[in-house]
Amino acid sequence: SQQGEEDPQALSIQEGENATMNCSYKTSINNLQWYRQNSGRGLVHLILIRSNEREKHSGRLRVTLDTSKKSSSLLITASRAADTASYFCATVTSGGTSYGKLTFGQGTILTVHP
Amino acid sequence: KAGVTQTPRYLIKTRGQQVTLSCSPISGHRSVSWYQQTPGQGLQFLFEYFSETQRNKGNFPGRFSGRQFSNSRSEMNVSTLELGDSALYLCASSLAGFRTGYNEQFFGPGTRLTVL
Repeated sequence: SQQGEEDPQALSIQEGENATMNCSYKTSINNLQWYRQNSGRGLVHLILIRSNEREKHSGRLRVTLDTSKKSSSLLITASRAADTASYFCATVTSGGTSYGKLTFGQGTILTVHP
Repeated sequence: KAGVTQTPRYLIKTRGQQVTLSCSPISGHRSVSWYQQTPGQGLQFLFEYFSETQRNKGNFPGRFSGRQFSNSRSEMNVSTLELGDSALYLCASSLAGFRTGYNEQFFGPGTRLTVL
């Protein structure tokens, strides 16, 4: 089953603009991860943020996490055409042994026009 | 290091047949997870193996099974194929475990299964 919702489902912007995607989840988490998928291929890990962190940066990516609202956002600054892909948030539930189990959101399709 | 590899990349089967997919993880990774991706259901967790033991299992029928070998390579098997099993099957490996904690997963390119 899906962990939660991603918003928007699709986003179309021009090169150079910023892209913001949101993710909500339902259970308590150990960490939340963002992945990118190009056209039905394998997923590429972008960034991991732990439940005790509020913000994390990696290059042009900025991720925030609000555990009180059970939500996260991914910001891609100065978008490029090569950023065109589907973006998924995925959570690892806290407790137990859910080490190798990711629960994915529905994804946001990002299109960046040159 | 070589990435996660999956074989075959594409597969066409008919209803009622069975299929075996293979996954070779990144060297040193002992956790291997399998996911099914369909347009309707999205990405769904199938199961995860660690040191040859199934550690986690998703909500899939018993027709879906897997195993892991001592070299961490993993296979998943689907018996009595149904049309709805047509999907992209993704394998991922990680260092996830008690000592290393929760980590990112590294995905293979996937196996595209079409059931006719």
